[in-house]
Amino acid sequence: AAGVIQSPRHLIKEKRETATLKCYPIPRHDTVYWYQQGPGQDPQFLISFYEKMQSDKGSIPDRFSAQQFSDYHSELNMSSLELGDSALYFCASSIRDRGGQQFFGPGTRLTVL
Amino acid sequence: AQKVTQAQTEISVVEKEDVTLDCVYETRDTTYYLFWYKQPPSGELVFLIRRNSFDEQNEISGRYSWNFQKSTSSFNFTITASQVVDSAVYFCALILTGGGNKLTFGTGTQLKVEL
Repeated sequence: AAGVIQSPRHLIKEKRETATLKCYPIPRHDTVYWYQQGPGQDPQFLISFYEKMQSDKGSIPDRFSAQQFSDYHSELNMSSLELGDSALYFCASSIRDRGGQQFFGPGTRLTVL
Repeated sequence: AQKVTQAQTEISVVEKEDVTLDCVYETRDTTYYLFWYKQPPSGELVFLIRRNSFDEQNEISGRYSWNFQKSTSSFNFTITASQVVDSAVYFCALILTGGGNKLTFGTGTQLKVEL
């Protein structure tokens, strides 16, 4: 069965640079979520999209933005990167009315030097 | 606001021992879902179980079992006859169906199973 695809899997950036993470949800899933997991921490919800519209927003910095495109893939754009942005970024997808079951991608490990 | 507490930061057991990971949650909602995820050293989040708030039936899946008690707001996870491959961080998480379906995670329990 198809799973959530995230690219790239690893990314190294310098401070103040920008980064774009991509997420391809499971086909026919209508909702995409982004989570950030810092070292030794639990995943924290950033933002979600339902049918290409932002549906919920968590603790996402103003330097970050995200969108969902017509083909349902989503991108998380991060600008003015800081050392503290180094984390594992997960994308998850779901069918909204199926009781909350979210399927996670393998994550993108971002390292900011 | 909802909250998930995993008081056990780290647990070490010897292979073949049984181990229980505790999870306590807080919410004022009556409709919600509880989850357990496993995160091995490779980093991916592996779904283990989902339980809705109206179903207090305990569940067993192989060496894994879950005990859901609404009266104490707990959703504990037991691994029977632990194995080295069970070594991972385990997260308990909560979704409020009226809260945008975002997952609220506990802080996780690091389980180390040694030979």
